[in-house]
Amino acid sequence: DAGITQSPRHKVTETGTPVTLRCHQTENHRYMYWYRQDPGHGLRLIHYSYGVKDTDKGEVSDGYSVSRSKTEDFLLTLESATSSQTSVYFCAIKTSGGTDTQYFGPGTRLTVL
Amino acid sequence: QQQVKQSPQSLIVQKGGISIINCAYENTAFDYFPWYQQFPGKGPALLIAIRPDVSEKKEGRFTISFNKSAKQFSLHIMDSQPGDSATYFCAARGEGSNYQLIWGAGTKLIIKP
Repeated sequence: DAGITQSPRHKVTETGTPVTLRCHQTENHRYMYWYRQDPGHGLRLIHYSYGVKDTDKGEVSDGYSVSRSKTEDFLLTLESATSSQTSVYFCAIKTSGGTDTQYFGPGTRLTVL
Repeated sequence: QQQVKQSPQSLIVQKGGISIINCAYENTAFDYFPWYQQFPGKGPALLIAIRPDVSEKKEGRFTISFNKSAKQFSLHIMDSQPGDSATYFCAARGEGSNYQLIWGAGTKLIIKP
């Protein structure tokens, strides 16, 4: 599992509240990604990071922000959660050394009421 | 041009049969094509991947067939087993894109005993 943990694993929140999801890795990989997974849409990239304090937007970044102050942690924040952000969120890392494999964490199921 | 179209959405195959999932893309700059397998409640995991300089790659019962001129690639699962029941995603990586993957919508595969 490439030493990836996500917290919390499940969260129920109210519309309009801020939510922060945490991704933690233990192997100092440079690239980290946040995806959301919804039925019929596969995986859609929200934001990614290519180093400490280096982040960029993905396909569906509106309503989300990220921060990476340490190599091991990549935080995803929903500033004001909406029901359309109900989803399963996956964090992934990409290993270095010539491979392109992305390894995924176990996911966080977020429900916005 | 950034889309990857995956079909079918769902597939039921008898045990011992061949499962075939197809993907098509438009962007000729894509240079890496992985397939991921996802079991319920888990993150996706790399199954097999191919680069466009080869037409076929086989790993055990799993084979990727790649047709560069048609911009299509497919996953074949030979002698399908109930344990292969999962959701399968194809993806493609654009050149110089910070290793971002563009994902298909997924195929839910059920192998009937």
